[in-house]
Amino acid sequence: EPEVTQTPSHQVTQMGQEVILRCVPISNHLYFYWYRQILGQKVEFLVSFYNNEISEKSEIFDDQFSVERPDGSNFTLKIRSTKLEDSAMYFCASSGGTLLGYGYTFGSGTRLTVV
Amino acid sequence: QKEVEQNSGPLSVPEGAIASLNCTYSDRGSQSFFWYRQYSGKSPELIMFIYSNGDKEDGRFTAQLNKASQYVSLLIRDSQPSDSATYLCAAPGLQGAQKLVFGQGTRLTINP
Repeated sequence: EPEVTQTPSHQVTQMGQEVILRCVPISNHLYFYWYRQILGQKVEFLVSFYNNEISEKSEIFDDQFSVERPDGSNFTLKIRSTKLEDSAMYFCASSGGTLLGYGYTFGSGTRLTVV
Repeated sequence: QKEVEQNSGPLSVPEGAIASLNCTYSDRGSQSFFWYRQYSGKSPELIMFIYSNGDKEDGRFTAQLNKASQYVSLLIRDSQPSDSATYLCAAPGLQGAQKLVFGQGTRLTINP
C-alpha cells in the first residue's frame, strides 16, 4: 500500500536553530499538508499546498515557517528559528483529490524536540 | 471558528462489546466528517468518512451522522484489544476547504 514517508523520525535541535522536516508524499497525490500535534493536544493544521503554492495556512504558520516542493517528489517544512514551543510531532499528509472523496494519508511523523 | 468536540475519555469497553464514540460540531454547514484512529506515538490513520445523514458501515465500524443534532458517532462492533487507541473526529475547516479541524480525541481501551 502506498505510504507517505517522513524523515527524520526524531530531530533534536537547539533553540534558535533552523530545521527542515522532509516528506515524500504518495506519488500521484496532488494535495499536500503539514499538521502538528503537541504532546497530549489536538492535531492542528499548519498549511496546505496545491499546484506548487500554499492554498491555506493557519495562524500558527507565521513567518518562521515555510514550505517547499523542491522537486517532483519531496515536500519540506522549514522552521527558521526554532522555539521551545515548536516541540511537537509534525505530520505530513497527502491526498489524491478533494477531502470529500478521499480524506488524507498521514506520514509516520517527525518528533521535533527543541532544547 | 469551527469547533469539533469529543469526550476525551478514557472509555473502557469489554472485549466483544460495542464501543460507541461521539463527536459534536459547531458549524451547521459542515458536510463531511472523518474518523481517524491514532495509536500512541503514531500518526492518525483514516478509518472512514461520512457525508450523508444516516449510517455508513464498513466491516466492524459504523459511522452515524445526524446533521440536525450536529452529532456524529462511530460504533465499533465486536471490540478487540487491538482497537485500543485514541479516536479522532475531524471535519473540513470550511465548505470546500482542504484542511481538517480535529477534535481532541477519545481514548478507548478494550479490556480482554
